[in-house]
Amino acid sequence: KQEVTQIPAALSVPEGENLVLNCSFTDSAIYNLQWFRQDPGKGLTSLLLIQSSQREQTSGRLNASLDKSSGRSTLYIAASQPGDSATYLCAVIRGGSYIPTFGRGTSLIVHP
Amino acid sequence: DAGVIQSPRHEVTEMGQEVTLRCKPISGHNSLFWYRQTMMRGLELLIYFNNNVPIDDSGMPEDRFSAKMPNASFSTLKIQPSEPRDSAVYFCASIFDPGDSFASTDTQYFGPGTRLTVL
Repeated sequence: KQEVTQIPAALSVPEGENLVLNCSFTDSAIYNLQWFRQDPGKGLTSLLLIQSSQREQTSGRLNASLDKSSGRSTLYIAASQPGDSATYLCAVIRGGSYIPTFGRGTSLIVHP
Repeated sequence: DAGVIQSPRHEVTEMGQEVTLRCKPISGHNSLFWYRQTMMRGLELLIYFNNNVPIDDSGMPEDRFSAKMPNASFSTLKIQPSEPRDSAVYFCASIFDPGDSFASTDTQYFGPGTRLTVL
């Protein structure tokens, strides 16, 4: 059974810092890995999707990497801003389906 | 498109009452997912429909929970009778599944969730 772990569970940083959020998974037979953002009281919004054949994806200040062999992904946030405050969840999609396994998330607070 | 629509957004009920949560997926999407999110257990998949047919309901906690999808634009999740431990945020999500050509670039679209409190 696929297990997804996210470290740290919570993070509080001053504005402007560069951040790294970590995600690890136990079964490397994945089709893709996604990073989602969840604001309080809201649903999840997809930030980045990395296909199993890719190593990384970038969108603006966000960069996500994938190392299937080690079962790890990182989400790098450059020059963090208070608007980045949210919970970030990692999800792994197993082969041949759209059923994801989610991590518990990292709760991020960026203070001015 | 209005996105995935869920109703109600908040529900407070007493133990033993029946609760019905509703979801309207994005038009054209043929797969629908119900999730439950709690502090203790995180985000859990309850059930997954494809073309209105339940494909995987292994996450449904017990017989008190039931889900239906009578047509492509509507689904319900019912809890009867409800218990305090059912208190959680319930999310619905949808995606287009092309069938035999799995597309690893697709992502699910989530609704805003229903916050359920059972007293």
